[in-house]
Amino acid sequence: QQQVKQSPQSLIVQKGGISIINCAYENTAFDYFPWYQQFPGKGPALLIAIRPDVSEKKEGRFTISFNKSAKQFSLHIMDSQPGDSATYFCAASRDYGGATNKLIFGTGTLLAVQP
Amino acid sequence: DAMVIQNPRYQVTQFGKPVTLSCSQTLNHNVMYWYQQKSSQAPKLLFHYYDKDFNNEADTPDNFQSRRPNTSFCFLDIRSPGLGDAAMYLCATKQGRGNGYTFGSGTRLTVV
Repeated sequence: QQQVKQSPQSLIVQKGGISIINCAYENTAFDYFPWYQQFPGKGPALLIAIRPDVSEKKEGRFTISFNKSAKQFSLHIMDSQPGDSATYFCAASRDYGGATNKLIFGTGTLLAVQP
Repeated sequence: DAMVIQNPRYQVTQFGKPVTLSCSQTLNHNVMYWYQQKSSQAPKLLFHYYDKDFNNEADTPDNFQSRRPNTSFCFLDIRSPGLGDAAMYLCATKQGRGNGYTFGSGTRLTVV
């Protein structure tokens, strides 16, 4: 119940295209769903996050779509750029569920944007 | 800038020789986490401190210990590193509930 499943494992997109990464969770108690971007040799950096009371959140070229009934959420990167090439992790936590607030990560997607 | 700082960035240690990794934060966050990330894998939570309360994950080996002497600092001690402990170790902080996690840049540990 603590798992977050992420797909695809890797993704190649042409410059200017749309990158789409999908995640699914099981624990309905999760109430915070962030996406992290990680470059080689760096720690994960928060990209965008959503809570289950909204179905979509957009920040610049990055959009999270959230489907509470299906227990799925996805990251869309519009107008993908070579600088977006990185590993992307979805995650989930019970942000208001108690003291532990553990962040459960998906397995990661390696995105390569070709020029 | 407020941030999470991990030292050193790269650490090489000998098989079985104790090693300590450090994390400091200027964010004054009350929760601090240690994650282990092996190559091409997701970060895996080892343990965390909620204020002074230590919370160990059930599958974290006894070989891994942690200390948090004050709000700003947290240490990861590996008592007898094995080859399988080679990984990136990530420190993260969070303030209570309703806020995001801030990660440090990590310490890459090599065991020789």
